[in-house]
Amino acid sequence: QVQLQESGPGLVKPSETLSLTCAVSGYSISSGYYWGWIRQPPGKGLEWIGNIYHSGTTFYNPSLKSRVTISVDTSKNQFSLKLNSVTAADTAVYYCARRLVATSYFDYWGQGTLVTVSS
Amino acid sequence: QSVLTQPPSVSGAPGQRVTLSCTGSSSNIGANYDVHWYQQFPRTAPKLLIYGNSNWPLGVPDRFSGSKSGTSASLAITGLQAEDEADYYCQSYDSSLSGVVFGGGTKLTVL
Repeated sequence: QVQLQESGPGLVKPSETLSLTCAVSGYSISSGYYWGWIRQPPGKGLEWIGNIYHSGTTFYNPSLKSRVTISVDTSKNQFSLKLNSVTAADTAVYYCARRLVATSYFDYWGQGTLVTVSS
Repeated sequence: QSVLTQPPSVSGAPGQRVTLSCTGSSSNIGANYDVHWYQQFPRTAPKLLIYGNSNWPLGVPDRFSGSKSGTSASLAITGLQAEDEADYYCQSYDSSLSGVVFGGGTKLTVL
């Protein structure tokens, strides 16, 4: 059973960097698939942030690209998200998820973690 | 403003059939990229409901069905049940953005 679990600070100050990690169990990241981040502001819809392949190849949402870095650590079977220069608009539940390479759907999701940007 | 357009809300009585729409453009649905649907209950992660326009993941009842035509897609739910009350999101890929795109979501209310 594939499981994903997000972790990281729940509160980040404006202008600082949001950092989250997604630990994957039940499947080796090195075996394939894209690994992605999606966020959902309170009461709003889903927004794709970006994906990474086990080789380190990344794809980012153009609207966030200048502030986002996604990295992978295959030795720990986890991948990470960094979003810099955050504002209140970045307050959201952040999900990590697994995405097929051949098509674009996400089949396994983490439970999500709420990150609030506030001083 | 989401790239894929969904009606904010839809409602139906138990036992009825409802259809949720998802409208895109020539750079996503119209470019023959697959459409996928997710179901989300409050305070939980989205769950894959339909993939590849019309396919069911294991465990999803066939009361849910998906279709695609031109630049639009639809999710139909037959035999509506109270437990179907949730938010539903469509998702595809956009070649202009070179990335994944979601609809704004539709809140389904079972009357």
